[in-house]
Amino acid sequence: KNQVEQSPQSLIILEGKNCTLQCNYTVSPFSNLRWYKQDTGRGPVSLTIMTFSENTKSNGRYTATLDADTKQSSLHITASQLSDSASYICVVSLTGTASKLTFGTGTRLQVTL
Amino acid sequence: DVKVTQSSRYLVKRTGEKVFLECVQDMDHENMFWYRQDPGLGLRLIYFSYDVKMKEKGDIPEGYSVSREKKERFSLILESASTNQTSMYLCASSRGGNYGYTFGSGTRLTVV
Repeated sequence: KNQVEQSPQSLIILEGKNCTLQCNYTVSPFSNLRWYKQDTGRGPVSLTIMTFSENTKSNGRYTATLDADTKQSSLHITASQLSDSASYICVVSLTGTASKLTFGTGTRLQVTL
Repeated sequence: DVKVTQSSRYLVKRTGEKVFLECVQDMDHENMFWYRQDPGLGLRLIYFSYDVKMKEKGDIPEGYSVSREKKERFSLILESASTNQTSMYLCASSRGGNYGYTFGSGTRLTVV
């Protein structure tokens, strides 16, 4: 069964600190992996998309890594800000069809003063 | 700025009512999707469409139908709303392939 598992489920960090969110997947055949940020009560917003051949991609203070051999990805947030408080969702796409996305249940991040 | 617009942010409907959720995108995307999001379950695909008048069932289509009469508009219909359809509904569109999805802001539907 195709699955995407994220850890931790929730995380609280102090403003200015770094953090790393994890994503493990069993989706096959793999096409790409996406990280989304979802503010409370809003739709998800894309942070990064990585294909099989990419192992790192940055978007400002967000850096995603991908190890396609171990089927693991991480999202690293540098110098966190209060506005980073949100859910972060890992999404894996199957090869061959736009419809086959498998979503993780997300990591809820809270950044505090 | 590209957009996916959902017509309502919050909606309260009675059990048995027919409910229409509207979604419009201005990016000329071929693919459009309806998801529901429930705590602890992640996003689940209800229906998707890859062209005008085309529709495909997703993972949880029961109790729902869709309509895509124009490329930019994709409607989700709850034929007879039930309390277990209380959820956050998210519309998305995509060019396909390795292009990202653009999501709407969501409609939080409560069925009482």
